[in-house]
Amino acid sequence: ETGVTQTPRHLVMGMTNKKSLKCEQHLGHNAMYWYKQSAKKPLELMFVYSLEERVENNSVPSRFSPECPNSSHLFLHLHTLQPEDSALYLCASSPGLAGGAPYEQYFGPGTRLTVT
Amino acid sequence: AQKVTQAQTEISVVEKEDVTLDCVYETRDTTYYLFWYKQPPSGELVFLIRRNSFDEQNEISGRYSWNFQKSTSSFNFTITASQVVDSAVYFCALVNNNDMRFGAGTRLTVKP
Repeated sequence: ETGVTQTPRHLVMGMTNKKSLKCEQHLGHNAMYWYKQSAKKPLELMFVYSLEERVENNSVPSRFSPECPNSSHLFLHLHTLQPEDSALYLCASSPGLAGGAPYEQYFGPGTRLTVT
Repeated sequence: AQKVTQAQTEISVVEKEDVTLDCVYETRDTTYYLFWYKQPPSGELVFLIRRNSFDEQNEISGRYSWNFQKSTSSFNFTITASQVVDSAVYFCALVNNNDMRFGAGTRLTVKP
């Protein structure tokens, strides 16, 4: 059973709605990540948090707002999304962000988001 | 810029066949790490292997084996005697200094 959980598993929202995706890891890891997985496109890294501090923001539109209140929880707040934002949003965690060797990541099952 | 190419979008084999998934990468760095992940229908990616750029030794783990060749910038993955449970999308990834690039993935279908 995965140590990373995501809720909700499915979400349908209108372009004017505000919603949040939640991720929780039970592995004692220090780093957490948000990815976007669109059909037939490579997995896109959106945000990286290490010890609750954002260390990476890959030119993600401001309509996506991450929050990491502690090392076990990660949120992705959504507002005024576009239909092209429909995708599978994956959360992952890893033991840390070593400057040298990157750790393997542990992924959650994802939230399937549909923007109508 | 770093880039990962998985040219095979979909592969279909019959159970017990061997299958190789290709991964070609581009980077200007001399230190980097390569990963393979499996994404079953349930959605979560599962870590399979990590290699660093200084270790070209091939690795075998049960029915899985990996062939890392820096000369051709490739990190190919072979499944021997495939099984239905191997059906999934497989991703190759290149990581360096928190810059993570995934390939588009190869969907493998193993038919009974």
